[in-house]
Amino acid sequence: SQTIHQWPATLVQPVGSPLSLECTVEGTSNPNLYWYRQAAGRGLQLLFYSVGIGQISSEVPQNLSASRPQDRQFILSSKKLLLSDSGFYLCAWSGGSGEKLFFGSGTQLSVL
Amino acid sequence: DQQVKQNSPSLSVQEGRISILNCDYTNSMFDYFLWYKKYPAEGPTFLISISSIKDKNEDGRFTVFLNKSAKHLSLHIVPSQPGDSAVYFCAASPSSGTYKYIFGTGTRLKVLA
Repeated sequence: SQTIHQWPATLVQPVGSPLSLECTVEGTSNPNLYWYRQAAGRGLQLLFYSVGIGQISSEVPQNLSASRPQDRQFILSSKKLLLSDSGFYLCAWSGGSGEKLFFGSGTQLSVL
Repeated sequence: DQQVKQNSPSLSVQEGRISILNCDYTNSMFDYFLWYKKYPAEGPTFLISISSIKDKNEDGRFTVFLNKSAKHLSLHIVPSQPGDSAVYFCAASPSSGTYKYIFGTGTRLKVLA
């Protein structure tokens, strides 16, 4: 069966520090991969999605970036975090048909 | 511009009664819709989906209705149980194969025992 792993579960970072969140999927090949963010009191905002290695589409201009170095690995990064980057970050995957998203357990990021 | 809207941020329902969660969308290209349930500090879990070729889909206590002309869908939970208390998100995607799911802002459901 397919599983998605996302870590860390919680992270507290100072303003201006770098960020790296990692997500891996097991049990499937060539998944579509996504990064979403839920800011306090808001819905799920699509940040990035990828349909293949090295193929990244950005939905929201910001100081975050994403990379997909391997088929089942998706990384969210920042060179310098802002206070507004705080939120609950979710990685997700879908199959080729894209009919359903499966989410990881999320990372609560607090930028202080 | 919020393309998927859940205008009720919260809803309280008595145990055993029906819960109705609503979702509106503006993009007429959307033709595949999902509902998710989310507990605090956890990832959302898939509940039920519907495509535009249908106007209703049922799975146990959960039924989703789609009104394409009104660009409106709703999730019915019958009977509601205390364990259903969570935040519910609707999501929409066009069929163009971009696989971009746009989520609403969520509705917090509280089922009272």
